[in-house]
Amino acid sequence: QVQLRESGPGLVRPSETLSLTCTVSGGSINIFYWSWVRQPPGKGLEWIGYVYHNGNTKYNPSLKTRVTTSFDSSKNQFSLDLMSVTTADTAVYYCVRGGQFWWEFPYWGQGALVTVSS
Amino acid sequence: SFFLTQPPSVSVSPGQTATITCSGDGLGDKYASWYQQKPGQSPVMVIYQDTKRPSGIPERFSGSSSGNTATLTIGGTQTMDEADYYCQSWDSDTVVFGGGTKVTVL
Repeated sequence: QVQLRESGPGLVRPSETLSLTCTVSGGSINIFYWSWVRQPPGKGLEWIGYVYHNGNTKYNPSLKTRVTTSFDSSKNQFSLDLMSVTTADTAVYYCVRGGQFWWEFPYWGQGALVTVSS
Repeated sequence: SFFLTQPPSVSVSPGQTATITCSGDGLGDKYASWYQQKPGQSPVMVIYQDTKRPSGIPERFSGSSSGNTATLTIGGTQTMDEADYYCQSWDSDTVVFGGGTKVTVL
């Protein structure tokens, strides 16, 4: 059974870069698409973007100027960098695995709360 | 832009049927997925490709699609089904979630 776990700082200062890593266990990271989804406190879900093992990426147009995702198959990890954060970026960030289609999300990490505050 | 619209809330009595709709222009040409999220927990996929149920999801959860509306039905609703439910699809290489529906089992 595939498991995903997010890790990274829980507090980021405004204007800095939010960086998270997702470690995958129980399966190869070299298949399927791997996405990030976030959820501000008390609000709904927002897809951030995906990365594929061949380096292909796709981002939410509303975030694409600030987002970078990367992939490290040797560590079974993929990462998210969100630049120039503001308090509006405070959210629980989930790493997720795609299913038969990249836009289906059958596997989710436990989530990591990242607070943007000075 | 592609939007998915859900009712903010649905109330249902235990043992009755809960119906949650999700509408969007062109949704009929795409697949919809549904996710259940309980407080403090990660979302769980309960329906994918409009009507398919992942392994381990109870049979009381079913999905359907007609026109530009996808529907999640919970038959014989139990108190454990009280949660937020999100529909989801994609358009132009972007994933879109509905705003979520809070299901209350009274």
